[in-house]
Amino acid sequence: DTGVSQDPRHKITKRGQNVTFRCDPISEHNRLYWYRQTLGQGPEFLTYFQNEAQLEKSRLLSDRFSAERPKGSFSTLEIQRTEQGDSAMYLCASSLSQGGWINSPLHFGNGTRLTVT
Amino acid sequence: SQQGEEDPQALSIQEGENATMNCSYKTSINNLQWYRQNSGRGLVHLILIRSNEREKHSGRLRVTLDTSKKSSSLLITASRAADTASYFCATDSRTGGGNKLTFGTGTQLKVEL
Repeated sequence: DTGVSQDPRHKITKRGQNVTFRCDPISEHNRLYWYRQTLGQGPEFLTYFQNEAQLEKSRLLSDRFSAERPKGSFSTLEIQRTEQGDSAMYLCASSLSQGGWINSPLHFGNGTRLTVT
Repeated sequence: SQQGEEDPQALSIQEGENATMNCSYKTSINNLQWYRQNSGRGLVHLILIRSNEREKHSGRLRVTLDTSKKSSSLLITASRAADTASYFCATDSRTGGGNKLTFGTGTQLKVEL
């Protein structure tokens, strides 16, 4: 169990640029989640995958955001035309869940901190 | 949106003292989880308590759940400086399908030597 890894750890970009983050979950985990966290707040749900299928997206996820999980393995989160309000920590988590609801812990990566200047 | 709210927002105690954090939530749940986050890092799972459980222990941690009041508490006994971190409760939501966790706003705990 090598844990959830995220790349890069930090990203500084200019407003209007596109950025892409990568998450490698724990290999046997079927669910993968993306959360966003701003300073002093708890993580906010963005989207999640069950294997390769994206099953739910938050209303926070505007059309500038897109996430993929090809072949049910790693995932990418892309933000197009970044805005200063996108500055946050983007957290990825994975879990092994059977059935409909969450019945096991989420394992988080250390996040990608995005700064939009 | 944040389903849970932790109380207090910040807590400062001396090493060896107990720390109690409370969490309130709004909708019916299947389970409630507590996580810890050190500054600049990801969250680490501490304990999961199911809706039909009232109390759970793990080492120096004790979690209670009162579904009638929609509240939970996390007690850390004999705190250590290494316990300094932010603590979050997280719930699934039966009405929301129960397939994602919604986190509270967190309690920032500082344990001083």
